[in-house]
This record gives sequence, structure tokens and C-alpha cells, in this order.
Amino acid sequence: ELKVEQNPLFLSMQEGKNYTIYCNYSTTSDRLYWYRQDPGKSLESLFVLLSNGAVKQEGRLMASLDTKARLSTLHITAAVHDLSATYFCAVDEGAQKLVFGQGTRLTINP
Amino acid sequence: GAVVSQHPSWVICKSGTSVKIECRSLDFQATTMFWYRQFPKQSLMLMATSNEGSKATYEQGVEKDKFLINHASLTLSTLTVTSAHPEDSSFYICSARAGWDPTTHRGHTYEQYFGPGTRLTVT
Repeated sequence: ELKVEQNPLFLSMQEGKNYTIYCNYSTTSDRLYWYRQDPGKSLESLFVLLSNGAVKQEGRLMASLDTKARLSTLHITAAVHDLSATYFCAVDEGAQKLVFGQGTRLTINP
Repeated sequence: GAVVSQHPSWVICKSGTSVKIECRSLDFQATTMFWYRQFPKQSLMLMATSNEGSKATYEQGVEKDKFLINHASLTLSTLTVTSAHPEDSSFYICSARAGWDPTTHRGHTYEQYFGPGTRLTVT
């Protein structure tokens, strides 16, 4: 059974700082997704990572995938308040199913 | 492209009644649709997977007689919560997957496109 674990689950940081959210998963997969969720809203797709070594960047966010280590990271550079949200990683289990991590609640303080 | 809608966006119903939630893919044909449930401050839990024209596959622990799923066409799936109880109150999110990339109309994609969610409150 595929398990997906995020770390940390809660993160409070100051504007301008850098930080990384980690996503570990337990079985082989080469498709991993990052989503953002604002309170009361559904998921917004951030990144789709489809191969080992994949790196994608959008603004202050950068995601990477290491399938051999079964690890993905979401790096935040020079955080701004607008990035406050809950971030989920999800791994394709095969058979079309996504398994989600617990989510990381990110709060960015001025 | 790749827009998924849900209706209603929120609903309040009395205990013991049934409520239907619709999920539509607006600009692509969805070979597969998924239904998730999310309790406050928790992650998304997959409830069931449905393919057009066939019976839904339910996850372990999800009562198929309580959560009826109908995937009647390539653009519409419905979730009916029967005899709802307060513990069914939750945020229900659907997603849809096309057999090909709905933005380029080429190539195969496994990506799921998520609807805006339906908040169900059972009183």
C-alpha cells in the first residue's frame, strides 16, 4: 500500500525567508503532483513531475522529483504573504489512483 | 482548457434526506472521474473511481449503497448521498481525467483536473 508523508505538517515563516517542504512516498512511482489549497477552496494544480530528476519552477516555488529516493521537494524562495496556504503532494499509485500526503499548512508572516 | 465544475457549491439538508452532487467536465471528455471527501483540516480521501458506462469502484470502507455514483456520460458524474446524517457533512471534491491532454489534444495524460468542491452540511 502506497503511503505518502509530508514534512513538516505546519510551517510558520517570515516573509523573505526560504524553506522547503518534503514529500516522501513508500513505493515506486514516477508521477507526482503538487497542489495548493486555500481555505474553503478546492485544489489548484501547481506542478506535475513525471520523471526522475524533473525540476519545475513557477515564480517563488520550485519542485523537484527524485524517484530513486522516493522524494519530492517544494522549495519556497523569498516567501511572500500570498503564498500562505495548504500544500499537498500526491503520488500516482497506478490504477489511476492518487494518494495524497497529509498536507503542509504554510503561514507566512509579515 | 480542462475545466471541471460541480453543482451545487454548497448544500444544507436535513438528516435522513438524500442529496445529489453533479460533476461536469466542461471542455473535455473524461474517461474517468474520481470522488474525494475532505474533512476539516485533513487531507483528501478517495471515495470511488468511476468510468463512463460502468459501475464505480469504491475504496475500502466507503459504503456503496450510501454513496451512489453514476457516470452517465463522458462529461457528467453524479454522487448521491442517501439518507444523509450529520457525520456525512464534509467537503466533496470531484476530479476528471481525460485520455489525452485536454489542453494540447495530443498525447496521453494521467493528470486529474479538480472541481471547485461541494460543501455538504447535514443538520
